[in-house]
Amino acid sequence: NAGVMQNPRHLVRRRGQEARLRCSPMKGHSHVYWYRQLPEEGLKFMVYLQKENIIDESGMPKERFSAEFPKEGPSILRIQQVVRGDSAAYFCASSPPANLGGASTDTQYFGPGTRLTVL
Amino acid sequence: GESVGLHLPTLSVQEGDNSIINCAYSNSASDYFIWYKQESGKGPQFIIDIRSNMDKRQGQRVTVLLNKTVKHLSLQIAATQPGDSAVYFCAEKRGSTLGRLYFGRGTQLTVWP
Repeated sequence: NAGVMQNPRHLVRRRGQEARLRCSPMKGHSHVYWYRQLPEEGLKFMVYLQKENIIDESGMPKERFSAEFPKEGPSILRIQQVVRGDSAAYFCASSPPANLGGASTDTQYFGPGTRLTVL
Repeated sequence: GESVGLHLPTLSVQEGDNSIINCAYSNSASDYFIWYKQESGKGPQFIIDIRSNMDKRQGQRVTVLLNKTVKHLSLQIAATQPGDSAVYFCAEKRGSTLGRLYFGRGTQLTVWP
């Protein structure tokens, strides 16, 4: 049973370019979360999505950042016109729906992350 | 060995000793807690969780204790091994928020042979 998958694992962009980060949740999971981690810090919540819906985007900067989780395909975190301060590790997590074998929707399982470097 | 989480972000123990990693939280509405282990260059790995209606939960070599009175959470690792070396994060879910987890800063555990 594959875990959460993220790609690319490493991404290098120049200032002003766009970054697209992809996340495929665990099989059967319908909740996706994006977090950002700066060096030697904890993870900071960005956005919570279900299929075709943004549930909570309170942790995401209002400008340049957007996220989607379409009906088909992976969740995408898009950062437009990247700046050096966007350099960080971006992690995606997923959790199951409430009716999947009684599993808790609260438990989040993380992917390996995408390390974004802005030159 | 024992750490106090945010105030002592590093903990060094000898192989075979027990480790205690501490975490303080501030929100009374927090109702679910998770401990994650993160190795260098990897994503957080689920270790164990506990709900606020419990005081203690045990897993394989790990125990989580929750003291709601003083808003304190601890992770105990028995017979610590070199493979346990990593950064350990506590995360909390607050009943008033949808889905998001709040992470502590983390504690770096180093196990010496």
